[in-house]
Amino acid sequence: DVKVTQSSRYLVKRTGEKVFLECVQDMDHENMFWYRQDPGLGLRLIYFSYDVKMKEKGDIPEGYSVSREKKERFSLILESASTNQTSMYLCASSFRAEYTEAFFGQGTRLTVV
Amino acid sequence: AQKITQTQPGMFVQEKEAVTLDCTYDTSDPSYGLFWYKQPSSGEMIFLIYQGSYDQQNATEGRYSLNFQKARKSANLVISASQLGDSAMYFCAMREGGYSTLTFGKGTMLLVSP
Repeated sequence: DVKVTQSSRYLVKRTGEKVFLECVQDMDHENMFWYRQDPGLGLRLIYFSYDVKMKEKGDIPEGYSVSREKKERFSLILESASTNQTSMYLCASSFRAEYTEAFFGQGTRLTVV
Repeated sequence: AQKITQTQPGMFVQEKEAVTLDCTYDTSDPSYGLFWYKQPSSGEMIFLIYQGSYDQQNATEGRYSLNFQKARKSANLVISASQLGDSAMYFCAMREGGYSTLTFGKGTMLLVSP
C-alpha cells in the first residue's frame, strides 16, 4: 500500500512561530504537493516539487516555503505563523505520468493562536 | 476563471438510490485527466475513479461511474445504490497534460439517509 505520512495530525502554534510540517512517502514518487483546505474553498495548491531540490509555486505560496532534500520527504515551512494560516494542510504524492492519481496523507489541522 | 466547477454544495440521497454529483471543467489542453476523490469526516482523501481525455468509454469502478461528456466539458460522478458510508465530501479534480499538479473543485457534501 502506498503510504503518505504527515508528521502531526493536530498542531497548535503561536503567532510568529516558525512551523514545520513534514511529509514522507514510501512509493518513490517523483511529485510531492502541499495543499491547504478551507471550508467552501476546496483544496488550494501551495507548493509542489517534481524532483529533489526542485520546487514550484502553486496558487497561494505567500507566507510559506518548502524544502525537498530527499526524494521521499517534503517539508512545508511557515516562516512566521499567522492566524490566517489556521487551516487543514494536506500532503500528496504521485508519479510524474499524467494519468496517475495522487495519494494523500491524513492531513494536519493547524491552529495558530 | 475556475478550472473545476462543482455547483452543488450539498446533496441528499436515500440509501439504495443512485445519485449524480456534477463537475464541469475548463481547459484548452487536448490531453488531460479527470479524477474524483472522497473525503469522509476523518479527513483522508480517497481516490475513487479516473477518466482520461482520450478514453472512449466512461470509467467505472464498482458502484462508481463517471459520466464523461467531452463536448460539454463535464465529468459527473454517478454513485449507484448509495450506502450510509458514502456520506462524505466529494471532490472533482483535473490534471492537464504536461503539468503535474491537480486542480480541485470546491467539493460537494453528500449525505445519505436511511
